[in-house]
Amino acid sequence: NAGVTQTPKFRVLKTGQSMTLLCAQDMNHEYMYWYRQDPGMGLRLIHYSVGEGTTAKGEVPDGYNVSRLKKQNFLLGLESAAPSQTSVYFCASKDLGETGELFFGEGSRLTVL
Amino acid sequence: TQLLEQSPQFLSIQEGENLTVYCNSSSVFSSLQWYRQEPGEGPVLLVTVVTGGEVKKLKRLTFQFGDARKDSSLHITAAQPGDTGLYLCAGVKSNYQLIWGAGTKLIIKP
Repeated sequence: NAGVTQTPKFRVLKTGQSMTLLCAQDMNHEYMYWYRQDPGMGLRLIHYSVGEGTTAKGEVPDGYNVSRLKKQNFLLGLESAAPSQTSVYFCASKDLGETGELFFGEGSRLTVL
Repeated sequence: TQLLEQSPQFLSIQEGENLTVYCNSSSVFSSLQWYRQEPGEGPVLLVTVVTGGEVKKLKRLTFQFGDARKDSSLHITAAQPGDTGLYLCAGVKSNYQLIWGAGTKLIIKP
């Protein structure tokens, strides 16, 4: 029962370094999302995908890039990390239909020094 | 910008007390979902309400969707320490678009 798996779970970066967060889902879901969660600010949408090969900007896309080359994977990249990107990142997936449930990964805690 | 205002942001009460959390918006949603998140984990769906005026019960938790489908409430009766967590509401605008509230951090003291 893997569901949504995020790697890595923890990472410390120096300002200017790059990294990629990987999200994998085994439920054959069409929709996938990357959120960041900061204290007192709930979930903010970074980028999302409505299907393989498609991506779209969310609420806070600056400084991030994404790719969805395979339906089951959604990658989030930081090209040049900044301290403001210190956060907990959550990936989620959802099946078709308006009332469908979002399934979340356990989160990836990123610290940028 | 579409907003979903959630209140209160923080609530700390004694075991056995009742509480209500609210989500309000000026936008109409096709449905509304409530999630609970525990430390170190991702949010998990509690319920989806779809019809205006709908009431759903999940043990001691009662969820209501406003008649106009712009607001919702979560009422917990006789709160238990196990209810502690972050409660998030999400208004559904389309198959893939959700608008999130900022969350209510709930602490139930034994």
